[in-house]
Amino acid sequence: GNSVTQMEGPVTLSEEAFLTINCTYTATGYPSLFWYVQYPGEGLQLLLKATKADDKGSNKGFEATYRKETTSFHLEKGSVQVSDSAVYFCARKEVQGAQKLVFGQGTRLTINP
Amino acid sequence: EPEVTQTPSHQVTQMGQEVILRCVPISNHLYFYWYRQILGQKVEFLVSFYNNEISEKSEIFDDQFSVERPDGSNFTLKIRSTKLEDSAMYFCASSEREGPNEQFFGPGTRLTVL
Repeated sequence: GNSVTQMEGPVTLSEEAFLTINCTYTATGYPSLFWYVQYPGEGLQLLLKATKADDKGSNKGFEATYRKETTSFHLEKGSVQVSDSAVYFCARKEVQGAQKLVFGQGTRLTINP
Repeated sequence: EPEVTQTPSHQVTQMGQEVILRCVPISNHLYFYWYRQILGQKVEFLVSFYNNEISEKSEIFDDQFSVERPDGSNFTLKIRSTKLEDSAMYFCASSEREGPNEQFFGPGTRLTVL
């Protein structure tokens, strides 16, 4: 079936470090891909999305490129801040038919000053 | 900025009791969803709702679960007879339309079944 696999956490980095959180998806259908972020005590917020191959989503310094050849949608940021500490979820949604989001297991990121 | 709200933030109940989790989606949204996250596990889809009926449901959403939009603003999830394994964080979400459009999530209700 359709699934998403994320890099296991937790991930701990120092401020200004480079961040990569890996995400791969099963190569069925033509999904849209998303990264959601959950800050402590809050709900899930959309961070960025990409709807077709080679699209790049970006927001708040984060980027992810929809790579069909490697079925990946890795999240990157060049210089993380303490305020980026959160849980990050990769997700897919089919373009037609099912409206549900299918999530990866989430990666907890902690940034130390 | 409009947001999805959920009440209560935390619900504690005894096994076998009925619970109703409440959500107020964003006012001009047409699609509504419930997801849950058991502690330490993935966020899982439960059900989607459009035009006053269920449009899709997962295997988790068995006869113990039901959803309702009782008025123009609320969207509820009812669990008729709670089990220990229903303990989880339940998230409501809404979207304006279908397709690759953003689903806006509420802050969640933590359900604890004793």
